[in-house]
Amino acid sequence: DTVLTQSPALAVSPGERVTISCRASESVSTLMHWYQQKPGQQPKLLIYLASNLESGVPARFSGSGSGTDFTLTIDPVEADDTATYYCQQSWNDLTFGSGTKLEIK
Amino acid sequence: QVQLKETGPGLVQPTQTLSITCTVSGFSLTSYYMQWVRQTPGKGLEWMGFIRSGGSTEYNSEFKSRLSISRDTSKNQVFLKMNSLKTEDTGVYYCARDQGLGAYYFDYWGQGVMVTVSS
Repeated sequence: DTVLTQSPALAVSPGERVTISCRASESVSTLMHWYQQKPGQQPKLLIYLASNLESGVPARFSGSGSGTDFTLTIDPVEADDTATYYCQQSWNDLTFGSGTKLEIK
Repeated sequence: QVQLKETGPGLVQPTQTLSITCTVSGFSLTSYYMQWVRQTPGKGLEWMGFIRSGGSTEYNSEFKSRLSISRDTSKNQVFLKMNSLKTEDTGVYYCARDQGLGAYYFDYWGQGVMVTVSS
């Protein structure tokens, strides 16, 4: 299985820029996607195919990367962005990262 | 609009079979792949399997021996059945729509159904 590694937690202040990283154990080309999950809710698609913004998602969210290293950027961060962010690859079966919990100070 | 809703038993005894129904609206099951994903305390988000728009299925090898996904297009329903349940299968089970025919990312999710495996 392709293992996706994410840092467990981040804390930033409103208005700042935050980058959330995801590293794959092997190359997944650009078959990487990002979700936001708020407590008690289902995941929500933010970015697909590494850098494409899902319809209806604010342009504050962006994605980049290819191969093994990927980044989700939120700029500027807002209080409502408090959530856990997951990456998911679709190159080799489908696997998810363990999530990065974002706290807004 | 697109909606997905899972219904299931809530509590299942160990060794028994889990059955969950996902009822969809706003799109046709013959035009989209449908995925099942679960979220457990031990392993987080796990892809379980999917059913293609044509009705064939694929499963995560971790579940392959005990998982079955099927559908009834006339009722707009997708079904998950998993046998030989263990306490580690406790978690939230989601159905999700694949964004395209084999896009393998999920643009709509149900709200999930919590399943507890306990005697």
